[in-house]
Amino acid sequence: GAGVSQSPSNKVTEKGKDVELRCDPISGHTALYWYRQRLGQGLEFLIYFQGNSAPDKSGLPSDRFSAERTGESVSTLTIQRTQQEDSAVYLCASSSISGGNQPQHFGDGTRLSIL
Amino acid sequence: SQQGEEDPQALSIQEGENATMNCSYKTSINNLQWYRQNSGRGLVHLILIRSNEREKHSGRLRVTLDTSKKSSSLLITASRAADTASYFCARTLYNQGGKLIFGQGTELSVKP
Repeated sequence: GAGVSQSPSNKVTEKGKDVELRCDPISGHTALYWYRQRLGQGLEFLIYFQGNSAPDKSGLPSDRFSAERTGESVSTLTIQRTQQEDSAVYLCASSSISGGNQPQHFGDGTRLSIL
Repeated sequence: SQQGEEDPQALSIQEGENATMNCSYKTSINNLQWYRQNSGRGLVHLILIRSNEREKHSGRLRVTLDTSKKSSSLLITASRAADTASYFCARTLYNQGGKLIFGQGTELSVKP
């Protein structure tokens, strides 16, 4: 497809379980970002990948959160031992170059609900 | 927090009217971007304005940036019902890659 694809679109899970969210960026985009959006709020930055450089993990809220990206392709965001406060929409974005002078292209997000 | 402020939080207007949304921030920026989000969807990029620019236009959209006041505004002229959405400003900072710092957003409702 032409856009950023995220899966699953919805995920309901019990507190304490681990979840894995997937992002397929636009082909050729070297920069990939994960954000979290709580209900009625703006987006919070989580993590940023740029090519083979070390990722910027400064936005990850706790060590239960981790993310990986292989080369310039798919990324997965993993949340271990989920808590109710993890309920949110997790959005992925990609851009053609890093540095912030290109628009970011967003997927439709994964809506995560922790029971 | 580095998050900025947006106002109003909600705006309701009639079709054909203009809508103005404002964004303020606290730190120096690399650039500022405006995004639109329809309910349940991802964000769509509208306009990027660099820190050395003062105004940009795209169709019915006009964005201004005043770095001395650390503020930006988005004007939508001749609004349509299809403009109903949430609008977010987001900025990037120097030497911090492209990560976006978002405001809380303005929820715009355009009534036919």
